[in-house]
Amino acid sequence: QVQLQESGPGLVRPSETLSLTCSVSGGSITSYYWGWIRQPPGKGVEMIGYISKTGTPKYNPSLKSRLTISTDSSQKQFSLNLKFVTAADTAVYYCTGLMARWFGDKSPGPWFDPWGPGILVTVSS
Amino acid sequence: QSVLTQPPSVSGAPGQRVTISCTGSSSNIANFDVHWYQQLPGTAPKLLISGNRNRPSGVPDRFSGSKSGTSASLVITGLQAEDEADYYCQSYDSSLSAVFGGGTKLTVL
Repeated sequence: QVQLQESGPGLVRPSETLSLTCSVSGGSITSYYWGWIRQPPGKGVEMIGYISKTGTPKYNPSLKSRLTISTDSSQKQFSLNLKFVTAADTAVYYCTGLMARWFGDKSPGPWFDPWGPGILVTVSS
Repeated sequence: QSVLTQPPSVSGAPGQRVTISCTGSSSNIANFDVHWYQQLPGTAPKLLISGNRNRPSGVPDRFSGSKSGTSASLVITGLQAEDEADYYCQSYDSSLSAVFGGGTKLTVL
């Protein structure tokens, strides 16, 4: 059973880069899609982006210009880098696996499973 | 504003049935699957329903999902105190990628 664990700094200064890593255990990192989701305090969840088995990323359009998601197969990790952060980026960040049904080369859309426990990142000076 | 619309809150007494709706559009729910997540207080969301109506192993059959047109529903029957949580629907949008509803807080009276 795949398990995920986020790691990284809990405090980031405004205008700097938020960098998080997700460690994968219990499964092959090359066999799944991987994603990041965030949840501002007291609010709902928002997809940040995800990366395919072949390393192709898909980003939330609202974050695309600041965002990079990548994988490191040798370390069984994938990572998130979000540049030029502001207080609006304060949130609990979750790493997730993605699953999907496929009908030939078409899919009715992915779902997120499993989820890491989450890490709170605060943007503040 | 979320792309998918859910009621902010619903409530029910133990043993009752509650329904949580999720409304979208032709660019998302009408053409893509809907999935549901349960978020217990202080924890990460957990997959509850995938592919409109499929329950992962371990999810009680008190939880069921359905989809019709541009809307989907999560039904919980035989409500229990442990069901008190936030519930999120999720789909895919042809313009935006994966999208979530704003979440519904279920209170068990």
